[in-house]
Amino acid sequence: DAGVTQSPTHLIKTRGQQVTLRCSPKSGHDTVSWYQQALGQGPQFIFQYYEEEERQRGNFPDRFSGHQFPNYSSELNVNALLLGDSALYLCASSLDPGRINSPLHFGNGTRLTVT
Amino acid sequence: SQQGEEDPQALSIQEGENATMNCSYKTSINNLQWYRQNSGRGLVHLILIRSNEREKHSGRLRVTLDTSKKSSSLLITASRAADTASYFCATDARNTNAGKSTFGDGTTLTVKP
Repeated sequence: DAGVTQSPTHLIKTRGQQVTLRCSPKSGHDTVSWYQQALGQGPQFIFQYYEEEERQRGNFPDRFSGHQFPNYSSELNVNALLLGDSALYLCASSLDPGRINSPLHFGNGTRLTVT
Repeated sequence: SQQGEEDPQALSIQEGENATMNCSYKTSINNLQWYRQNSGRGLVHLILIRSNEREKHSGRLRVTLDTSKKSSSLLITASRAADTASYFCATDARNTNAGKSTFGDGTTLTVKP
């Protein structure tokens, strides 16, 4: 039973560039949420995808966008990278958002460094 | 800013001792969850406690929830070196859908062999 997988594991980009991160959810899960974790801090919610639509969004600018595919996998895109975007980006899968009290299953993240 | 705050920020104990971490939050919640994170890796879900529950156990873990004080505690009994990690509490606010969790900044636990 495959868990949540993310790619790539590490990425180095230059300020102003664009980046795409990828996530495959745990088998049986149809909802993907993305989180940003800065060094020494807890994860912050970016947005969530369910049924190929963005369902919930946190306080992140429009430079952060995403997509969900019919097989439930998801992408996170960040445009016009800033130094402050350097962080660990975590993908979490779960059952549909209407099922409250369902825990999140996290991948090991993508470490993005912006220089 | 984060809704949850863990206390203490760092905790160092000897193997075999108990470790207690506390979490406070600000709004009404559907549930509160505890996660563990080993250095630089993903978070592992430990336990979820619903807003109408007061205590929950899972193996060596005991979680309490006091909604009147908007606080929770995580107790790890008979700690092991392998318990060394960062521990985060997360809340799902009432009237929001699942998956949009608000995390604190964590407690870093070091268990010395």
